[in-house]
Amino acid sequence: EPEVTQTPSHQVTQMGQEVILRCVPISNHLYFYWYRQILGQKVEFLVSFYNNEISEKSEIFDDQFSVERPDGSNFTLKIRSTKLEDSAMYFCASSEVAGGGYTFGSGTRLTVV
Amino acid sequence: GQQVMQIPQYQHVQEGEDFTTYCNSSTTLSNIQWYKQRPGGHPVFLIQLVKSGEVKKQKRLTFQFGEAKKNSSLHITATQTTDVGTYFCAAKNNDMRFGAGTRLTVKP
Repeated sequence: EPEVTQTPSHQVTQMGQEVILRCVPISNHLYFYWYRQILGQKVEFLVSFYNNEISEKSEIFDDQFSVERPDGSNFTLKIRSTKLEDSAMYFCASSEVAGGGYTFGSGTRLTVV
Repeated sequence: GQQVMQIPQYQHVQEGEDFTTYCNSSTTLSNIQWYKQRPGGHPVFLIQLVKSGEVKKQKRLTFQFGEAKKNSSLHITATQTTDVGTYFCAAKNNDMRFGAGTRLTVKP
């Protein structure tokens, strides 16, 4: 079964450093998303991406965050200057159609120290 | 974005008992999705409901969308230990927003 692949599985970074989280969505999917989940809490929407541009973003997705699809397969989330409160599991997801079910990756656990 | 309220927050049942989680919105939803997240895992898509009053079944799981398309429920009949996890509803307006989830634990 097709999977969404995320790397790395775990990233530890110092406060103030930049991190890039990487995702390879399912190849025939056109819609891409980033979500985060702080430990024990709900899954929070960050951003959706379609046709090489951001479709929607949440209030969490401030100027410190950016997304990019640098080539035909990768979809990245960059956090410019990490804060302690950015520590969370970050999930990438993709869907074939706008209203369809999302396939989530296994996540990247980001720890900011 | 669309906000959905989910109750209960936690549910602990004896294996074999039934389980229900509810999702409510103050506004009409275009559709609703349900996901399951196992402990330490990622959300896995279960189902999408679109039509008013729709009922869908997956083995022991029954999903229902309210007539007014403002609420939804997931019912599990005769829970098993493999049902353990957090069940999230998610509603899409412009973006897909998840409810807070119901964490189900099952005692063997």
